[in-house]
Amino acid sequence: GNSVTQMEGPVTLSEEAFLTINCTYTATGYPSLFWYVQYPGEGLQLLLKATKADDKGSNKGFEATYRKETTSFHLEKGSVQVSDSAVYFCAQGAQKLVFGQGTRLTINP
Amino acid sequence: GAGVSQSPSNKVTEKGKDVELRCDPISGHTALYWYRQSLGQGLEFLIYFQGNSAPDKSGLPSDRFSAERTGGSVSTLTIQRTQQEDSAVYLCASSPQGGPGITDTQYFGPGTRLTVL
Repeated sequence: GNSVTQMEGPVTLSEEAFLTINCTYTATGYPSLFWYVQYPGEGLQLLLKATKADDKGSNKGFEATYRKETTSFHLEKGSVQVSDSAVYFCAQGAQKLVFGQGTRLTINP
Repeated sequence: GAGVSQSPSNKVTEKGKDVELRCDPISGHTALYWYRQSLGQGLEFLIYFQGNSAPDKSGLPSDRFSAERTGGSVSTLTIQRTQQEDSAVYLCASSPQGGPGITDTQYFGPGTRLTVL
């Protein structure tokens, strides 16, 4: 069945460091891909998405590119901030989203 | 405008009791989804409603779980004869359209934390 595998956490970085959180998927066909974020004490919210191969989703300085050949959708940010501390979920699908296990990110000042 | 709301925010119940969890989607959204977030299983899809179509119940873990959506708006997730493994955060989401071939953004509520003693 369809699945999502993402980089296990927790990940701890210093402010202004470069961030990569890896995400790969298995699916029949070409699903839409998403990154959701859950800030402390808040609900899940969409960070960015891509609906077809080679699309790049971007928001709040984060980017991810839909790579069909490597079935990947890695999340990157060039310079992280303390306020980026959260749990990040990679997901695939349309209506029935399939989520990865989540990666807890902590940014230290 | 108002987001997705869920009630109660926390529910503690005893094993064997029935519980009802409520979801109020964003006004005008035709699609509504239920997910479960637990330590052992992560985030799992449970059920999906889209307009007047029959719901997709393929993610419900057992026949103790059921959901309905009245008037195309509010939804209730019911768990009968609760078990300890039902303890989790139950998340509701809504999207503007849903439907085959449409990739909407799903907007999530804050969740209901269910604890079964």
